[in-house]
Amino acid sequence: EPEVTQTPSHQVTQMGQEVILRCVPISNHLYFYWYRQILGQKVEFLVSFYNNEISEKSEIFDDQFSVERPDGSNFTLKIRSTKLEDSAMYFCASSHPSGGAWETQYFGPGTRLLVL
Amino acid sequence: GQNIDQPTEMTATEGAIVQINCTYQTSGFNGLFWYQQHAGEAPTFLSYNVLDGLEEKGRFSSFLSRSKGYSYLLLKELQMKDSASYLCAVGSNSGNTPLVFGKGTRLSVIA
Repeated sequence: EPEVTQTPSHQVTQMGQEVILRCVPISNHLYFYWYRQILGQKVEFLVSFYNNEISEKSEIFDDQFSVERPDGSNFTLKIRSTKLEDSAMYFCASSHPSGGAWETQYFGPGTRLLVL
Repeated sequence: GQNIDQPTEMTATEGAIVQINCTYQTSGFNGLFWYQQHAGEAPTFLSYNVLDGLEEKGRFSSFLSRSKGYSYLLLKELQMKDSASYLCAVGSNSGNTPLVFGKGTRLSVIA
């Protein structure tokens, strides 16, 4: 069964450093998402991406964040200058384009980011 | 605004039935999802309701009342492996809109 994959599974970085989190969405999906989950808290939406551009973003997704689809398979989240509060599990998700009905979002296993 | 409420924790006995409730107040509504999340793992899709009523899928059923802003997830014949967090999430706009999640209900299944 196709699945979303993410690398690395864990990332430790120093405050102020840049990190890039990588995702390979399910191959025939066209909508891609990043969510994050701070330990013990709820899953929060960051950004969605379709047709090579951001379709929606949340208040969390400020100028330190960026997303890119550098090739036909990868989808990346870059955090330019990490802060302690960026420590969280970051989930990538993907879905088919909707024809009006809802399309299920499938989540990857996550990257646990720890900022020291 | 967006507000999704569900109980923080529940405990149930192996073999029993448990109902996890979710109430929501969102600026739009285009479907309600239930996801299962084991500790340290990704959310896994369980069910989706867009119309009022009950959707059954094996041991899991989900109910929706749009007029009451209410849903529940029913788990039957509980197994130890059902110990996990259960996340209620709402899609507020079009079919590919981001999901708004509740804080999740941590279910412990005991022998």
